Amino acid sequence: EPEVTQTPSHQVTQMGQEVILRCVPISNHLYFYWYRQILGQKVEFLVSFYNNEISEKSEIFDDQFSVERPDGSNFTLKIRSTKLEDSAMYFCASLEQPDYGYTFGSGTRLTVV
Amino acid sequence: GENVEQHPSTLSVQEGDSAVIKCTYSDSASNYFPWYKQELGKGPQLIIDIRSNVGEKKDQRIAVTLNKTAKHFSLHITETQPEDSAVYFCAANTGNQFYFGTGTSLTVIP
Repeated sequence: EPEVTQTPSHQVTQMGQEVILRCVPISNHLYFYWYRQILGQKVEFLVSFYNNEISEKSEIFDDQFSVERPDGSNFTLKIRSTKLEDSAMYFCASLEQPDYGYTFGSGTRLTVV
Repeated sequence: GENVEQHPSTLSVQEGDSAVIKCTYSDSASNYFPWYKQELGKGPQLIIDIRSNVGEKKDQRIAVTLNKTAKHFSLHITETQPEDSAVYFCAANTGNQFYFGTGTSLTVIP
């Protein structure tokens, strides 16, 4: 079964450092998303990406965050200057077409110290 | 935006019993309602979904019901097994964006 692949599985970073989280969506999917989940809390929407541009973003997705699809396969989330409160699981998801369920990756656990 | 509420937050059942998790949503335009199962250290996995033109859907031991008038939908797991233990999330869409419930931690006691 096709999978969404995320790397790394765990990232520890110093506060103020930049991190890049990587995702390889399913190859024929056209819609890409980043969600995050703070420990013990619900999954929260960050940003959606379609046709090489951001289609929607939440209040959480401020100027510290950016997304990119640098080539035909990767989809990255960059956090420019990490804060302690950025510590969370970050999930990438992709979608073949609207009104279908996402396929989520297994997540990257980001720990900011 | 959409507001999805989920109850209960924790649920313990004996193996073989049924488990029911309930969600409500606020946006009457939502038309797609997936349920996800999240095991420890893994991403959420889609287990069943329902569209607004259907009242009930079943897949083996798992069923979902939808009441559009009342804006609530429920997940039913029958004959529960220890491997059903996980966190379950409901979600409702607004366009292509999904809003998730707060999750239900289900424990099936052998």
